[in-house]
Parts: sequence; structure tokens; C-alpha cells
Amino acid sequence: DSGVTQTPKHLITATGQRVTLRCSPRSGDLSVYWYQQSLDQGLQFLIQYYNGEERAKGNILERFSAQQFPDLHSELNLSSLELGDSALYFCASSVVGGPSTDTQYFGPGTRLTVL
Amino acid sequence: GENVEQHPSTLSVQEGDSAVIKCTYSDSASNYFPWYKQELGKGPQLIIDIRSNVGEKKDQRIAVTLNKTAKHFSLHITETQPEDSAVYFCAAGYSTLTFGKGTMLLVSP
Repeated sequence: DSGVTQTPKHLITATGQRVTLRCSPRSGDLSVYWYQQSLDQGLQFLIQYYNGEERAKGNILERFSAQQFPDLHSELNLSSLELGDSALYFCASSVVGGPSTDTQYFGPGTRLTVL
Repeated sequence: GENVEQHPSTLSVQEGDSAVIKCTYSDSASNYFPWYKQELGKGPQLIIDIRSNVGEKKDQRIAVTLNKTAKHFSLHITETQPEDSAVYFCAAGYSTLTFGKGTMLLVSP
């Protein structure tokens, strides 16, 4: 158990809908990262938040957005869902925010299925 | 941006054999190289990492080597056990991590 929690574990929804994925980082960690894992694209970095502020952006679609709240939990919002958005979504956390200085610990993931 | 290539995509070994997974990266600014193990239905778990000021690091049966000149790093698992069966990912980065596409390791008893 990494100490990172994610809810829900599974999510099934229809095209065009909007969903929210939630992540709670390890106690003491200030950075949260979101990743998308699909069979053809592997593990893709989406976005990083550090202490409530956006720090880095990866291959995140405009239909997706995220935020980190004062209690440091984070939410990833996915809207106008398409079939291709079906994937595993992982959250990771680290103490600070630089991979050269600290380790990212991953949560168990949320499996999103868009029908 | 960074590009990480990982080989092989699948690797089958007999219990007790060694397994080697290799990765190359493109961005010379990358200075952190972690390896993750992902079991079915679980999130990636860090097994070992190495930073650019070190050439080799070992932790029991697992070792990682880094060649910054050639921009490649490798994971070595000795005396493999069936419980080592999983997907292994390499990653490289400085401010964010770029992951390889993964290697499915199957250890047969």
C-alpha cells in the first residue's frame, strides 16, 4: 500500500458525459500527478499540482482539467467523454515536486469505461 | 520532449535465471531514472531508482546501471522467482517523468 488513495475504483459512463476522479496523496506529500494508462499509449503524464498550484502540464486534453484543494487532495475532471478516453487513470504523489529529488508513489488507479 | 524506448516488450525466463530490461532516453537533461513494477489490477510500484551522478545501484536481487554518455539504463533481476512476474516500466526525467511502454516479464517455475 503506497498511501495514495483514489476513488472510485471503477467508473462506467456514456459518451458525452462528465466524470470526476478523486485522489488523496500520502500524508506530507505536496505534489500530485495525474497519469493516463491505455494499452496503446502506455503511461502518459497529464498534469502536476504542487501545493495547490499547477506546476507542469503534459499530454492533457482541453476537455480534461484538474485542481488541488487546500487539504491537498486533487480531482481530475473529464468532460465530453469519448470512447477513446476509456483507460486507467492513476494519481501519484511526492514530497516536493521534482523527480530529481523525490520519488513518485502511485495510487491503485481508477478504471474508466466509456460506452 | 523526452522520449523513452524500452526493450524487450515481453520476456520469458525460467525460475532462477536472470532477466535484463533495457531503456534508452533522448533528453540529456534527464537526471532521474526510476523503475516501476506493475502487477495486474494494481498501480505501479517503485522498485529501484538511480540518479545521474551514480553509475550503478543494487538492492538485493535487483540492480540498475546507467550510462549517461550513451543515454541508456538497464534493470537486472537475478535469481528470478515466479512472483517477479509483472509488467516493468522504466522512466526518465528532470521536472516530469516520461515512461517506457513496459516489459511483461513472465517467470516460469
